[in-house]
Amino acid sequence: DGGITQSPKYLFRKEGQNVTLSCEQNLNHDAMYWYRQDPGQGLRLIYYSQIVNDFQKGDIAEGYSVSREKKESFPLTVTSAQKNPTAFYLCASSIRTGGSTGELFFGEGSRLTVL
Amino acid sequence: GENVEQHPSTLSVQEGDSAVIKCTYSDSASNYFPWYKQELGKRPQLIIDIRSNVGEKKDQRIAVTLNKTAKHFSLHITETQPEDSAVYFCAARPGAGSYQLTFGKGTKLSVIP
Repeated sequence: DGGITQSPKYLFRKEGQNVTLSCEQNLNHDAMYWYRQDPGQGLRLIYYSQIVNDFQKGDIAEGYSVSREKKESFPLTVTSAQKNPTAFYLCASSIRTGGSTGELFFGEGSRLTVL
Repeated sequence: GENVEQHPSTLSVQEGDSAVIKCTYSDSASNYFPWYKQELGKRPQLIIDIRSNVGEKKDQRIAVTLNKTAKHFSLHITETQPEDSAVYFCAARPGAGSYQLTFGKGTKLSVIP
């Protein structure tokens, strides 16, 4: 069953702790993305990667880090430097090949709460 | 960078009526405009999209129109049904070679039975 899987679905963290959110896809997509969703704020891009071992900052990258060691995986680390980390995080993937519309396929999201 | 404004933020309609959501974008080089629907507790999913070389696209009860001169595009839903209730996001993608989408802030549509 092809798709994009995020884990964990819910995560609680104490202030000052780093936490890593997992994102795995078996769609053979080149590009992967992390978005943050806050009420009334839409979807804001944190980081994206168009190819293995390469990634770029999005609009709100401060306090976050990523890696792309495998095509299938794009984990996001929320560091203690992120001042307001409580949010819903969505991972997505898309085909990168020219001519494609680049439709985003989203995971089910991870809800992070900082206590 | 690209900036996408979406209105209204909330919209309530009676079942069977039409709903219209409007978006404006800032980058005249943007060439692709998708709409995503996110039902409560679920992931966003693409429902319709339009490229800059087309003025209108229709898929059953939903349609999207694009005015490149004015830099705005709209989602039209006719004969609304309760299952249309969701948050709708518009987005724009800057020119060729970019796969980065900039999203609007979303419209919460409620269809009242």
